[in-house]
Amino acid sequence: QQQVKQSPQSLIVQKGGISIINCAYENTAFDYFPWYQQFPGKGPALLIAIRPDVSEKKEGRFTISFNKSAKQFSLHIMDSQPGDSATYFCAARRNTGNQFYFGTGTSLTVIP
Amino acid sequence: DGGITQSPKYLFRKEGQNVTLSCEQNLNHDAMYWYRQDPGQGLRLIYYSQIVNDFQKGDIAEGYSVSREKKESFPLTVTSAQKNPTAFYLCASSMLDPAYNEQFFGPGTRLTVL
Repeated sequence: QQQVKQSPQSLIVQKGGISIINCAYENTAFDYFPWYQQFPGKGPALLIAIRPDVSEKKEGRFTISFNKSAKQFSLHIMDSQPGDSATYFCAARRNTGNQFYFGTGTSLTVIP
Repeated sequence: DGGITQSPKYLFRKEGQNVTLSCEQNLNHDAMYWYRQDPGQGLRLIYYSQIVNDFQKGDIAEGYSVSREKKESFPLTVTSAQKNPTAFYLCASSMLDPAYNEQFFGPGTRLTVL
């Protein structure tokens, strides 16, 4: 059973547009929600993360929106660039055991 | 340079052979993890360890084994019992302190069974 559900599976955005990726979870024991960026053949790298006591976090062009009551969180990439083309994973960490659960990934393509 | 190293980058195995994937970290992290990545399935946890000489099974541990004899090292053995081992394998580490949550990933090992 997928603990973190991610959509869409793939996304194509024009340069300068906004990319939006959504994730949902059920387990209320999750206490940390990171987003990772992965380029082909490389390991994922942390992009931005949020805790459930905050509804929004912004770092540069990247914003996480968090809705605790709906158990949903999303990544917004403003002014999307071709260099943002990568696979993005959302994740959630359980507050005991330090175990992370990942979404299935979104392949983002930004067209010049 | 601090970080996680995985070797080899590419590995080819004949059916019926066991192979061991190396993972080393110099970040002084207590926790280490092994994930398997397949297209369209995201990252699935194989094993994780929070302390030397202790480890726990993840969601897909069957056909895999690990050891944690040193804090810096967490090798993964893919045994012949793993029916479909061709995949991209990722090692990660993190601190146990919940104030420092980031999980760092290595560059991965791509295993292909011939």
